[in-house]
Amino acid sequence: DQQVKQNSPSLSVQEGRISILNCDYTNSMFDYFLWYKKYPAEGPTFLISISSIKDKNEDGRFTVFLNKSAKHLSLHIVPSQPGDSAVYFCAATKIMYSGGGADGLTFGKGTHLIIQP
Amino acid sequence: DAGVTQSPTHLIKTRGQQVTLRCSPKSGHDTVSWYQQALGQGPQFIFQYYEEEERQRGNFPDRFSGHQFPNYSSELNVNALLLGDSALYLCASSMAGAKNQPQHFGDGTRLSIL
Repeated sequence: DQQVKQNSPSLSVQEGRISILNCDYTNSMFDYFLWYKKYPAEGPTFLISISSIKDKNEDGRFTVFLNKSAKHLSLHIVPSQPGDSAVYFCAATKIMYSGGGADGLTFGKGTHLIIQP
Repeated sequence: DAGVTQSPTHLIKTRGQQVTLRCSPKSGHDTVSWYQQALGQGPQFIFQYYEEEERQRGNFPDRFSGHQFPNYSSELNVNALLLGDSALYLCASSMAGAKNQPQHFGDGTRLSIL
């Protein structure tokens, strides 16, 4: 039972264009969502996150959109650069409101983004 | 400012053996989580340690156990190793008192079971 799904194993985008990576979740208890980027032989690197009280969060070239009613989030990268080629993981969790912190992360299987020159 | 560090980088064991993996959290972080990433999959949550106690556990058998020390560093122990335990083991740290703060990952330990 996969609670976080990334249905595109790979995505190829031309340099300079927009990359859109999608993620769906099934657990309505999730209230904090994150995107991580992973290069081979390295650990996941945090990219951007969004709380369920927002529907959009922007950081430079990266924007994450959250549609709670559809249980769907997406990551937009504009413009795409060669260094963006990596595996992108969507993750979700539930914030522990008593004492702070959060539950362990539930990850999707990842999308391999390839930026073509 | 050192990030999350894990040791060793690579490890080869045989079936039935036991293994201990180590993790030092990012400076200022007090919570450590462990994940298993099989080939072609996303990381799967094993357990989380806070204040030297296991706070939450994923769907992993009792063969997987852990420990957190007073300096917040942590160990992951796996007993009676199976071929299916071959994976990348990732440690992540975070701050318990900070809401909406991401977990930061180390580069992992690659465990191969022969």
